Amino acid sequence: EAQVTQNPRYLITVTGKKLTVTCSQNMNHEYMSWYRQDPGLGLRQIYYSMNVEVTDKGDVPEGYKVSRKEKRNFPLILESPSPNQTSLYFCASTAWIRGNTDTQYFGPGTRLTVL
Amino acid sequence: AQKITQTQPGMFVQEKEAVTLDCTYDTSDQSYGLFWYKQPSSGEMIFLIYQGSYDEQNATEGRYSLNFQKARKSANLVISASQLGDSAMYFCAMFQGAQKLVFGQGTRLTINP
Repeated sequence: EAQVTQNPRYLITVTGKKLTVTCSQNMNHEYMSWYRQDPGLGLRQIYYSMNVEVTDKGDVPEGYKVSRKEKRNFPLILESPSPNQTSLYFCASTAWIRGNTDTQYFGPGTRLTVL
Repeated sequence: AQKITQTQPGMFVQEKEAVTLDCTYDTSDQSYGLFWYKQPSSGEMIFLIYQGSYDEQNATEGRYSLNFQKARKSANLVISASQLGDSAMYFCAMFQGAQKLVFGQGTRLTINP
């Protein structure tokens, strides 16, 4: 079954404690990205990756890091989380063919609370 | 900058009626893609329909169709014969500059029995 998995699904942590949210896809997609969803603001892109070892900033990258060492994995790293990073996070992937995209598959979401 | 606008924060519709959710976009790109997603109260993002900027026909997927008017830069979602399970948040999105997906603010649709 084609899917994007994220872990953990729920996380409560404290300010400053480094954390990683994992994301994995089994569709051999080139393009992966991370979004955060906040009430009244919709979904905003944090980082994206066009392929292995190629990452770039989205609209709200401050306070986040990513890496793309393997095609299937795209972890999101919060080196020093702060309360304003409390949000619902989504990982997504899509095939990328000659500048056109197809369906973007979303993971189930990770609800993060930073105290 | 590319932008997606959904002007209806909330809509209430009787079951079995058709409903149109509005979406307008702004882009200077010639090649772009438009998406609609459904987000039920459980939180997951469910892909509904996709329209490419060069597609000549409006996209359809079962009860969902996309009314694409390129000159007016609108991509409205039409749901025929609405069902109670259609109650959810709906997001319009556009693939921007071949790099990132930009979302609208969303419309909360409530289907009344």
